Amino acid sequence: NAGVMQNPRHLVRRRGQEARLRCSPMKGHSHVYWYRQLPEEGLKFMVYLQKENIIDESGMPKERFSAEFPKEGPSILRIQQVVRGDSAAYFCASSPIHRGDEKLFFGSGTQLSVL
Amino acid sequence: AQSVTQLDSQVPVFEEAPVELRCNYSSSVSVYLFWYVQYPNQGLQLLLKYLSGSTLVESINGFEAEFNKSQTSFHLRKPSVHISDTAEYFCAVSASGSARQLTFGSGTQLTVLP
Repeated sequence: NAGVMQNPRHLVRRRGQEARLRCSPMKGHSHVYWYRQLPEEGLKFMVYLQKENIIDESGMPKERFSAEFPKEGPSILRIQQVVRGDSAAYFCASSPIHRGDEKLFFGSGTQLSVL
Repeated sequence: AQSVTQLDSQVPVFEEAPVELRCNYSSSVSVYLFWYVQYPNQGLQLLLKYLSGSTLVESINGFEAEFNKSQTSFHLRKPSVHISDTAEYFCAVSASGSARQLTFGSGTQLTVLP
């Protein structure tokens, strides 16, 4: 059973371009979470999705950021018109159920660098 | 809302020495507490968690953490570290009985020296 798969591992974009980060949850997991880690900071919650639904996007910036988890295929975190401040490690996690004591399974992350 | 403070960003320690990684949290509600570990080029993995009951929790590889409600702490300890314990360790908290969103500390890089 493969773990949470994220790609690409490293993504370089110039200011103003779009970044697309992909996450395939573990088999059988229908809950996906995105976290962002800025340099010297802890992981910050961004968004929680189930298949075809955004459940909680309280941690998402109001502009330029969007996420989806379609019925088929991976979850996508999209950042439009990237700026240097978007440079960070983006982690995806999944779980089989949504419960406070359930552990999350994390991917290895995507390191986004904006030039 | 919850917050987590990991006071030490870097902890170097010699092999077979004891180690303590500190974690303090703040919350207005009862919480679940977690330690996650991230080995180089890998995703975070759950090391141990406190949900309720005994305040001392242990992992399978010799780490333990003690929940101290009065000091709002959840420090991680190991009596004798190995080279393979070199990794970044993250303390995290979530509000118990509610939504799933974890709040993480900024991490502590543990480096075990030969």
